[in-house]
Order: sequence, then C-alpha cells, then structure tokens
Amino acid sequence: GENVEQHPSTLSVQEGDSAVIKCTYSDSASNYFPWYKQELGKRPQLIIDIRSNVGEKKDQRIAVTLNKTAKHFSLHITETQPEDSAVYFCAANKAPTGTASKLTFGTGTRLQVTL
Amino acid sequence: NAGVTQTPKFQVLKTGQSMTLQCAQDMNHEYMSWYRQDPGMGLRLIHYSVGAGITDQGEVPNGYNVSRSTTEDFPLRLLSAAPSQTSVYFCASSYSRLGGYEQYFGPGTRLTVT
Repeated sequence: GENVEQHPSTLSVQEGDSAVIKCTYSDSASNYFPWYKQELGKRPQLIIDIRSNVGEKKDQRIAVTLNKTAKHFSLHITETQPEDSAVYFCAANKAPTGTASKLTFGTGTRLQVTL
Repeated sequence: NAGVTQTPKFQVLKTGQSMTLQCAQDMNHEYMSWYRQDPGMGLRLIHYSVGAGITDQGEVPNGYNVSRSTTEDFPLRLLSAAPSQTSVYFCASSYSRLGGYEQYFGPGTRLTVT
C-alpha cells in the first residue's frame, strides 16, 4: 500500500516569514495530493490539492509543488500570519483510476507562527 | 446544508462495552469513510463505503463494523471496546467514490476507553 512521510513534525516561523512542509510518497501510481489544515480541536479542512498532470498550483499565499520523478510534494506558505498556526496534513491517493478513494495521510506538521 | 454531522461529541466507555458512533451527511455524497486520529499518527482509514449497501475495509478495520443502509448515514460500531480504541474519530464524505474529490470531515467524536 501507499506510505506517506511528512517533515518536519513541528515548525516555528516568525510572522511574515515563509513556511515549507515536505512529503514523500511510495506508490508511483498515486496522482492526487491534497493538503488539509486542522486547527486545535477542529476538523481537517482542505486548503489546496494538486493532480499529477501539473507541477505547481498556487492559491494566494499557499502553493503546492509536485515532483513525480522524486515522488515528493511540498506545501509553501508565504507571508505567514498567526492564523496560519495549525497542524497541516499531506495525503496521497490514486485518482481517478482507482476503484475507490483511499487517502493515505502523512503524520502531520504542527506550524506555529510567532509574532 | 448541515454538511457532515457526528454524534456524540464525547464518549467514555469501559473495556468490553459496545457503542455506535453516528455519522450523517446531507450533501447526497456517494462516498463516506471513517478515520481515527491518534497523536503523531495522522488520520488512518478504518472503513469506507462507495454507496448504499457497499462497504469495505480500510487500513485499520479490526474491532469495528460498519453498514450503509442509506446514502445519508454511515454508523461505526465498536463491538467490544478496548483501551487501544481511545482516539478521535472523524467521519468524512465525498461527492464521488473515485479519488481526486474533496473529502468533507465531520466535527469528530472523542472516545475514551478505560
């Protein structure tokens, strides 16, 4: 099955700096990579996703890059703000050729943005 | 739309007790799933369903049963609770059974087994 590794487990940055979280996956057939944000005590929520037919996707201060050859993808947050403080999870899935969605999640990165 | 709802929010069980965690969605989503979240381990898939009457096992199915008699509801049953099942449980739903579609999570149920 798929295995997703995520680094770092904790990340502290100053407000306004950039944050980068990296994930690697094992199954070369995976082709859908979402990122979820989970605030303390809340449910995970999708913030951005990327499919394997593109190398980069951007949404305001958030961007995701994908390197299929190396089987890794990264989340980039620029101009960080205190409200970016949360746990971020990457995930991998075979889509749409898989018969059913089975997301495999990384172990999470706790991001703290300090003033 | 209420989205994905879960009850109860908190539950304490004694070892050996059974209970059902409820999950419902009002988005007419085809796909529903259950995850457990443990510290340092991310979210792990327990069971999933691609439609009414169809369920299958995920990564960590032992000790749990599911059924899907309607599109809206997907309850998770703990047959004989064990301390190892202490966790936060999230139900999720998605428009399509196929991957590549956003999964919407419920608010979670925090379960403690003593």
